[in-house]
Amino acid sequence: AQSVTQPDIHITVSEGASLELRCNYSYGATPYLFWYVQSPGQGLQLLLKYFSGDTLVQGIKGFEAEFKRSQSSFNLRKPSVHWSDAAEYFCALDITGTASKLTFGTGTRLQVTL
Amino acid sequence: NAGVTQTPKFRILKIGQSMTLQCAQDMNHNYMYWYRQDPGMGLKLIYYSVGAGITDKGEVPNGYNVSRSTTEDFPLRLELAAPSQTSVYFCASSYSGATEAFFGQGTRLTVV
Repeated sequence: AQSVTQPDIHITVSEGASLELRCNYSYGATPYLFWYVQSPGQGLQLLLKYFSGDTLVQGIKGFEAEFKRSQSSFNLRKPSVHWSDAAEYFCALDITGTASKLTFGTGTRLQVTL
Repeated sequence: NAGVTQTPKFRILKIGQSMTLQCAQDMNHNYMYWYRQDPGMGLKLIYYSVGAGITDKGEVPNGYNVSRSTTEDFPLRLELAAPSQTSVYFCASSYSGATEAFFGQGTRLTVV
């Protein structure tokens, strides 16, 4: 069965510093890949998605992610973190060719220090 | 534009009680989903629907029931609440299976 691993449960970065959140997946082919953000008390918001094509994907709020097939990874990056980026970030995949049945990772909680 | 609306936001149930979590969307989306999120875990799909009158099981359907009589509403029913159903429940919708899913703000359910 497919799975998603987010190795970092909690990350703390200073405002203005760069950020990279790791995501690894297990699946025999290339799945559809997603990053979602969950602010406290809120639902999930889609940051970006990868279906095919260019392996560097741009998303909202200045985030980007790079798909690396050889490493089965889809890491999320941001060059300069803002205090408002503090939230929980989920990586997810779908193998059905749709976005209907997402398998989520356990999440990474980002804390931003001023 | 309200998006996906879930009610209630919080609820405490006693073991064996039943309740319905409500979910409504006003985006004319065909697909709707119910997920649960346990502490320290990612979301797991309970049930989903691809249109009115059509529902299907997700990864963790046991103990739950759903119905989809209209495009807008997708209620989730717990018949005999158990402590293992203590979780945060998220409803989501999307226009099709290949488009972005929009999430509600969640319902925090505690079963004691």
